[in-house]
Amino acid sequence: DAGITQSPRHKVTETGTPVTLRCHQTENHRYMYWYRQDPGHGLRLIHYSYGVKDTDKGEVSDGYSVSRSKTEDFLLTLESATSSQTSVYFCAISEKAGTGGETQYFGPGTRLLVL
Amino acid sequence: QKEVEQNSGPLSVPEGAIASLNCTYSDRGSQSFFWYRQYSGKSPELIMFIYSNGDKEDGRFTAQLNKASQYVSLLIRDSQPSDSATYLCAVNRNTGKLIFGQGTTLQVKP
Repeated sequence: DAGITQSPRHKVTETGTPVTLRCHQTENHRYMYWYRQDPGHGLRLIHYSYGVKDTDKGEVSDGYSVSRSKTEDFLLTLESATSSQTSVYFCAISEKAGTGGETQYFGPGTRLLVL
Repeated sequence: QKEVEQNSGPLSVPEGAIASLNCTYSDRGSQSFFWYRQYSGKSPELIMFIYSNGDKEDGRFTAQLNKASQYVSLLIRDSQPSDSATYLCAVNRNTGKLIFGQGTTLQVKP
C-alpha cells in the first residue's frame, strides 16, 4: 500500500468552526489531491497540488482552502464549516500528471460530521 | 450529460459467473482510464488501468477500451463473494485530474 495517512480519521464539529484535515505521504510523490465523496455524487475533486506551494482548485472548491509547505504534507481547511460539508474526505497522491504516471493512490479517508 | 457515467446498480451475479461493468465518457480527448474497487467504508483501491484500445487482462480482471465508442468496461471472471463492492471508473484527460463516475455496486451471491 502507498504510504498515505490522513488525520484525524473521524471528526465531529459544529457549524461555523474552522477544521483542518491533514494528509501525509511517504512516497515523495509530486501530486496530491483532496476529494470528497457523497452519496449520489461520487468522488469530487476539491483542490490539488502539483508541488510545494503550488495548488489549484478542483470542481467543488468553494468553502475550502489548502496549503502545501512540504512535499509530504497537504492540508485541507474548512474556513467555517457548514452542514453541507459533512462528507468523507479522501486524499490521493500520484507521481506524475501525464499518461504513465498519473495513477492515483488513496489514503484511508476522514469522516467529517458538521452539526 | 455527466463526463463519466456508470450504472449505479446494484448488479447482481451468482458466484462463478462473469460480471460485466460498463462506463461511458464524454470527452474524446481522454487519454487514460482506470478502474478502482471500493469496499463499504474503505478507500478506493486501484484494480487496473488501460491506455490503448482493446483488452488488458490481469488475473480474473479484464479491462476493455473502445475509444471510438467512448466506453470502457471491466469484466470479472469467476466472480467471488469477496468481489462484492462498488467499482469506480475514472478518466484522465492528460491533465492529471481524474474524473470519476458514480460507481456501480456489484453483489456476488453465493
